[in-house]
Amino acid sequence: EPEVTQTPSHQVTQMGQEVILRCVPISNHLYFYWYRQILGQKVEFLVSFYNNEISEKSEIFDDQFSVERPDGSNFTLKIRSTKLEDSAMYFCASSDPTQGAGNQPQHFGDGTRLSIL
Amino acid sequence: GEDVEQSLFLSVREGDSSVINCTYTDSSSTYLYWYKQEPGAGLQLLTYIFSNMDMKQDQRLTVLLNKKDKHLSLRIADTQTGDSAIYFCAELWNNAGNMLTFGGGTRLMVKP
Repeated sequence: EPEVTQTPSHQVTQMGQEVILRCVPISNHLYFYWYRQILGQKVEFLVSFYNNEISEKSEIFDDQFSVERPDGSNFTLKIRSTKLEDSAMYFCASSDPTQGAGNQPQHFGDGTRLSIL
Repeated sequence: GEDVEQSLFLSVREGDSSVINCTYTDSSSTYLYWYKQEPGAGLQLLTYIFSNMDMKQDQRLTVLLNKKDKHLSLRIADTQTGDSAIYFCAELWNNAGNMLTFGGGTRLMVKP
């Protein structure tokens, strides 16, 4: 069964550095998402992306964050100047809007654990 | 209305049924989902239900939806040790870029 893949599985970065998290969504999916889960807290929505633009973003997704689909297969999340509180598990997800209005289960990757020192 | 609540922990014996409960507050939700997270792994989609349905059965899984009370449950029949994991319910806001709002997760422990 096709799956969403994320790299790296664990990223350790110094505070203030830029980090790029990478995702390869399921190939025929058109909607892409990033979520994060701070240790011990809920999974939180960051951003959704469709047709090469952001369709929705949360309050967490401030100017330090950006997303990009640099080619036909990758979907990246960049954090420009990392802070200690950015330490979390970051999940990428994708869905297929052609299944019908609203019926687009989101399929998640295994996540990237980001540790900011 | 964007709060999804779950109990933190559930312990059952192998072979028993497990019932994991979830409450949500937004009546405009269209779909409600159950995800499973095993240690060190991602979120695995288990099942989902459309908001105009009351029940959905999928092998050992039964989802019940009480829209009036905004209550969702997941019943796992004949629970196995491999079912031990954290179970998240999530609601979809279709008018918000398909944003999923998750509950805090219920840790299911299955004792042999």
